[in-house]
Amino acid sequence: NAGVTQTPKFRVLKTGQSMTLLCAQDMNHEYMYWYRQDPGMGLRLIHYSVGEGTTAKGEVPDGYNVSRLKKQNFLLGLESAAPSQTSVYFCASSLNTEAFFGQGTRLTVV
Amino acid sequence: ELKVEQNPLFLSMQEGKNYTIYCNYSTTSDRLYWYRQDPGKSLESLFVLLSNGAVKQEGRLMASLDTKARLSTLHITAAVHDLSATYFCAVAQYNNNDMRFGAGTRLTVKP
Repeated sequence: NAGVTQTPKFRVLKTGQSMTLLCAQDMNHEYMYWYRQDPGMGLRLIHYSVGEGTTAKGEVPDGYNVSRLKKQNFLLGLESAAPSQTSVYFCASSLNTEAFFGQGTRLTVV
Repeated sequence: ELKVEQNPLFLSMQEGKNYTIYCNYSTTSDRLYWYRQDPGKSLESLFVLLSNGAVKQEGRLMASLDTKARLSTLHITAAVHDLSATYFCAVAQYNNNDMRFGAGTRLTVKP
């Protein structure tokens, strides 16, 4: 089992560029999450999904969009990247108990 | 809105000593989680606490939950260097599964 896989693992973007982060899980989990982790701030919830075709906003949704067209995939999009979006992004999935996390994507916006 | 507060944020311990990390949350919750993160790594689940009075133990770590006080504790017994990591608590509500994290406690265990 691969668990939760995030691609890419590293990325450098220029301000104003767009990109999509992919999260894939092979555990048939209903719930999926996108978090960002910044020093001293723990993990902050960007968006989450409670099932295929559904998404909801978390604590810090501005500047991000998500889609869950297939149960196993949860995509995070940045339409116009800003330096404030420099962070480590974690995807997670769960079946209503503990969450399983991907290895993270380190994104730098210059 | 659900808020989660941990303290302390930084903890330096001597090997062999005991200490407790505290996690407070602001609204009624169904589930409380503890995770561990090593530097540069992902998060690993330690405990899931589902009911008032729940206590779980794994090795030198013991977690408990008091839903009336909206408080969870992570107790470390006879700390060893391998426990050095950042520990996060997280809280979720059953109706929407929105899971929110505390800021984390960076634990350093010194010989």
